[in-house]
Amino acid sequence: GENVEQHPSTLSVQEGDSAVIKCTYSDSASNYFPWYKQELGKRPQLIIDIRSNVGEKKDQRIAVTLNKTAKHFSLHITETQPEDSAVYFCAARGIGGGGNKLTFGTGTQLKVEL
Amino acid sequence: EADIYQTPRYLVIGTGKKITLECSQTMGHDKMYWYQQDPGMELHLIHYSYGVNSTEKGDLSSESTVSRIRTEHFPLTLESARPSHTSQYLCASSTRDRGGYTFGSGTRLTVV
Repeated sequence: GENVEQHPSTLSVQEGDSAVIKCTYSDSASNYFPWYKQELGKRPQLIIDIRSNVGEKKDQRIAVTLNKTAKHFSLHITETQPEDSAVYFCAARGIGGGGNKLTFGTGTQLKVEL
Repeated sequence: EADIYQTPRYLVIGTGKKITLECSQTMGHDKMYWYQQDPGMELHLIHYSYGVNSTEKGDLSSESTVSRIRTEHFPLTLESARPSHTSQYLCASSTRDRGGYTFGSGTRLTVV
């Protein structure tokens, strides 16, 4: 089955700096890659996603890039703000017997310091 | 508003008790999932369903069971709660057309 690795596990940046979180996946047939943000005590929420036919997608201060050859994808947050502090999860969806099932990374705790 | 709802939000229960965590969605999604998560930690898939009368075990071994008699309802049952079951349980749903999941707000379970 699919295996997703996520790095780093914790990330601390100064307000206004950029943050990058990286994930690798094992199934070359995976075709959908969402990112979730989970604030303390709240549910994970989808913040951006990318499909395998696209190399990059941007939404205001966040962007995701996908390198299918290397089987890795990254989340980029620019001009970080304190409200960006949260746990971020990447995920990948294969097209095997698991159907629509996502495989999640282990999460990155992002802390934006004033 | 279309959403996915979990009850109760918090539950403290004694060892050996039987409990059912409720999950309902009004989004018209056919696929539903249960995850176990310690706060801020990994999401562990324990059960999933691709439709009525379809249920599968996930990657994490669990002593719980699920049922899917109605499309919108996916309850999780623990026959005999133990302290090792103390965790947060998140329900999620999705469709094939839209690959992302929508998560419920979770049930924080404490077994004493």
